[in-house]
Amino acid sequence: GNSVTQMEGPVTLSEEAFLTINCTYTATGYPSLFWYVQYPGEGLQLLLKATKADDKGSNKGFEATYRKETTSFHLEKGSVQVSDSAVYFCALSVVSTGNQFYFGTGTSLTVIP
Amino acid sequence: DSGVTQTPKHLITATGQRVTLRCSPRSGDLSVYWYQQSLDQGLQFLIQYYNGEERAKGNILERFSAQQFPDLHSELNLSSLELGDSALYFCASSVEGTGNSPLHFGNGTRLTVT
Repeated sequence: GNSVTQMEGPVTLSEEAFLTINCTYTATGYPSLFWYVQYPGEGLQLLLKATKADDKGSNKGFEATYRKETTSFHLEKGSVQVSDSAVYFCALSVVSTGNQFYFGTGTSLTVIP
Repeated sequence: DSGVTQTPKHLITATGQRVTLRCSPRSGDLSVYWYQQSLDQGLQFLIQYYNGEERAKGNILERFSAQQFPDLHSELNLSSLELGDSALYFCASSVEGTGNSPLHFGNGTRLTVT
């Protein structure tokens, strides 16, 4: 079946620290992979995506590389800011006439000054 | 701004009542998805519509129903409400609804059942 496992939080970092949030997946076929971010009181926003193996998605200083050999899509940022405090969701999509999107449980990140 | 509009933002109602949540997708998107987000169960897929037709069904209770209208807006109807239905309900839209394009989420409707 299809599923996403991401590292449990909460994660607390100091400003300018390096961030890694781990995400691994199980999928039938060839999924697309996504990271979404949810700020307090808002919906999920697409942060970045990758549609095939070895693709690197990037946006706002965040990066993630689609690793087929390790079935992973870890989110990284070199220097986090207070404004990055949010919940991060890893997700995959498969082409299907049934349910297409599978989300991880979310990782809460708090960045302290 | 994702371009997906959900109304109302907040709903407070009593057990046993019925409510309707409304969603307008991004311009050009033909598919609408409904999700329930609660603290203990994360993001749960409820149902998907494409161009007015139901395409996929997830963990949607029989007390819940939805539809997508010719102008592509969608409504989620929740009836015989229970305390456990209190949650955030999100609508998302995508261009073609097959999993090839990403979802774009609205800001949600927070439902509180008392």
